[in-house]
Order: sequence, then C-alpha cells, then structure tokens
Amino acid sequence: AQSVAQPEDQVNVAEGNPLTVKCTYSVSGNPYLFWYVQYPNRGLQFLLKYITGDNLVKGSYGFEAEFNKSQTSFHLKKPSALVSDSALYFCAVRAYTGTASKLTFGTGTRLQVTL
Amino acid sequence: SAVISQKPSRDICQRGTSLTIQCQVDSQVTMMFWYRQQPGQSLTLIATANQGSEATYESGFVIDKFPISRPNLTFSTLTVSNMSPEDSSIYLCSVSPGLPSYEQYFGPGTRLTVT
Repeated sequence: AQSVAQPEDQVNVAEGNPLTVKCTYSVSGNPYLFWYVQYPNRGLQFLLKYITGDNLVKGSYGFEAEFNKSQTSFHLKKPSALVSDSALYFCAVRAYTGTASKLTFGTGTRLQVTL
Repeated sequence: SAVISQKPSRDICQRGTSLTIQCQVDSQVTMMFWYRQQPGQSLTLIATANQGSEATYESGFVIDKFPISRPNLTFSTLTVSNMSPEDSSIYLCSVSPGLPSYEQYFGPGTRLTVT
C-alpha cells in the first residue's frame, strides 16, 4: 500500500524568508509525486510533479520541490515566501503501474506567512 | 488543464433527504473521481466514476449511499442519499487523462451541511 506523511500540521514563516514543507512517501516501485495547494473555500490547485529525471522540479508561483530517493522525500520549497502563499498544502503519491492507480494524499500542512 | 465546474457550490439539507451534485468538465477526460474532504483536512476518495459502467467504490463507501452516474466523458453526478449530519463535508470532483504520470485536476467543491 502506498502512503504519504506530512509531519508538520503547520509551518510559520516570515515574508521574505525561505520556506520548506516536508513530505515523505512510501510506495512499491517508482513513485509519481505531486504537490497541490488549497486556498480557503477553493478546490485543489496543482503546483508541480516529479515523474523522472532531474531531482529538482520547478512549478507554479516560484515553488520547487526536491526528490530524494534514498530518503523517500519530496519536500516543497520556495526561496522567498509571500503572505499570499498562506494556504493548505498537500503532497500526494501515485505508484507507477501499467494503468492508473489512485492518488494518495498526505494530511496536509498549513503554511502561514506573516509580515 | 481541464476546467471543472460543480453544482451546487453549497447547500444546507435536512437529515433523511438526498442531494445530487453535478460535475461538468470542459473537455473529454478518461478518469473522473469523487472525493470527500472535511474542512482543512485531507481528501478521501469515495469512488472512481466509470463511463458506461458502474462506479468503483473505495472501502467504506457503498453504492446505495453514494450512487454515481457518468453518462459521458464530460459529466458525472454524485448523490448523497439519506443524509445524516456525519455527511456534512466538502465533496470534490476530480479528473485525469488516465495515465499515472498525469496530474489530477479538481473542481471547486460542494460544501454540504446536513442539519
């Protein structure tokens, strides 16, 4: 069975500082990894994904994520946080199979960016 | 990316009644999914809506309680039957081209309150 862990319920960062939202995963075989963001009263928006290749993936709104196979991690990062980045962030994993398998989500991390 | 709309956006219903939620996509998609999310919490997959056949339900969800239709490749409905206050949640429609490497896109959600 596949699973995702987001160990921090909330991350607090001052605007302008770098931010990291942690994610570790467990899956049989090679993983497909995703980050989503959810703003209040909105659906989930896709940020970025890792499929294969370069371990550093760049996505929307200046976010990037680093895939580390040995640590089974896929942490979300941004060099300089904005107040508007405050939202709920979800990491998700899907195992590679010949057909689509379901996407498994972490419990979410609330990012709070303050002035 | 796909543009997904859901109707209604929110509703307040009495216990014992049923509500049908509609999901419309602006392009044909292979996979459609229904999720449930308590506000600020993670997503739980209810079922995969299959075009032309019965939906595939996840453990803990049954067709009598959550009947799903998918008459074509752009539209699906989820009915929440014989509602109780425990059904109060956000219901999200999601779509995917079907390949494991592709991200899923989410609708804005339907916020349901059962009194």
